[in-house]
Amino acid sequence: AQKVTQAQTEISVVEKEDVTLDCVYETRDTTYYLFWYKQPPSGELVFLIRRNSFDEQNEISGRYSWNFQKSTSSFNFTITASQVVDSAVYFCALSEAGYGGATNKLIFGTGTLLAVQP
Amino acid sequence: EAGVTQFPSHSVIEKGQTVTLRCDPISGHDNLYWYRRVMGKEIKFLLHFVKESKQDESGMPNNRFLAERTGGTYSTLKVQPAELEDSGVYFCASSQDPQGNEQFFGPGTRLTVL
Repeated sequence: AQKVTQAQTEISVVEKEDVTLDCVYETRDTTYYLFWYKQPPSGELVFLIRRNSFDEQNEISGRYSWNFQKSTSSFNFTITASQVVDSAVYFCALSEAGYGGATNKLIFGTGTLLAVQP
Repeated sequence: EAGVTQFPSHSVIEKGQTVTLRCDPISGHDNLYWYRRVMGKEIKFLLHFVKESKQDESGMPNNRFLAERTGGTYSTLKVQPAELEDSGVYFCASSQDPQGNEQFFGPGTRLTVL
């Protein structure tokens, strides 16, 4: 069965600190996708990144970086020099490949609430 | 280009009443998904449409929930009769291609059943 675990329920940091949000996943599929979404106080889910299971390269986008390690089934997200605007709930999600008529429904973790204090 | 829209943004109803939620996907997106987040828990998949057909409805909790997508455009999700445990935020998402493309989410409808 597919499962995503975000063990950190809440994290509080002070502005300019670096913070890492953990995500561990379980799947029997060899082809799958991993996602991070941000949910700011306004409520909508904002797409941040998608990685497929064959690409283990780490990715950096500005202050955001992602570390994908298949050996530990983890897809961690680091915010460098955090800012107050980063305060939100962050969700990690997993989907199967969606071939052959299979749906690519997202399996979400429970989310991590990040509070960045000024 | 307009994003995914959902109506209403909030709904407060009494137990036993009926509520209909609406989702308008991004134009041209054949794939439409419904998800639900009950307070404090994970966001859970409800069902997936490809155009007007239900591709996967394995997440629908029971037969009090009915989803439709007539004409393959907007979708409605009806809860009848509503129960207390149906309270939560209902998200709709759409995507162009099911093979791993990101799903674009709407702002959600917060449903409160009293």
